[in-house]
Amino acid sequence: GPKVLQIPSHQIIDMGQMVTLNCDPVSNHLYFYWYKQILGQQMEFLVNFYNGKVMEKSKLFKDQFSVERPDGSYFTLKIQPTALEDSAVYFCASSTGHSQNTLYFGAGTRLSVL
Amino acid sequence: AQKVTQTQTSISVMEKTTVTMDCVYETQDSSYFLFWYKQTASGEIVFLIRQDSYKKENATVGHYSLNFQKPKSSIGLIITATQIEDSAVYFCAMRDSNTNKVVFGTGTRLQVLP
Repeated sequence: GPKVLQIPSHQIIDMGQMVTLNCDPVSNHLYFYWYKQILGQQMEFLVNFYNGKVMEKSKLFKDQFSVERPDGSYFTLKIQPTALEDSAVYFCASSTGHSQNTLYFGAGTRLSVL
Repeated sequence: AQKVTQTQTSISVMEKTTVTMDCVYETQDSSYFLFWYKQTASGEIVFLIRQDSYKKENATVGHYSLNFQKPKSSIGLIITATQIEDSAVYFCAMRDSNTNKVVFGTGTRLQVLP
């Protein structure tokens, strides 16, 4: 199926520092998402993004979080500053945008905040 | 608000048998879309099958099929002729037609034994 790429696969960072997670969505997709998963548990919705704007976000999408996709490059999730509870696997997903269309996920970035 | 519930945390079955995984959902919308995903041991999240709420026929893809019972807000996943490589965590998810947010259940861990 369609491939979403995430870079890096694992990021280790000290608490309080900034981190940027990168996602290369499927080329013709228009909607982009970030999900957070802790210890193989539930996939928690963070945010979705369309046409340069955040469309919806959850309570987990704290003020320290931001997303952007400058000039059609990577779709990024930035956390500044990081906290211990931000340690998790972050999955990027994309879809063509129609509500019935399927989300396709990347392999995830494991973020370890020390 | 959307909600997806998977009550089975873990199931073990013998190879080549049929297994059903349960999922119930809550939504205020009359039109919605239901999905099943599989998360492998490597963490990869793979789309399996989708059911549109307006379709009466149960979706089928390969050895995956759905048992869609709309009056019960239920969307069970049936895997026939299970194989060892079907061992994974299975997530049920849904999206209303008026949102692009996809909400996931807590997952069911399937172990297929030889």
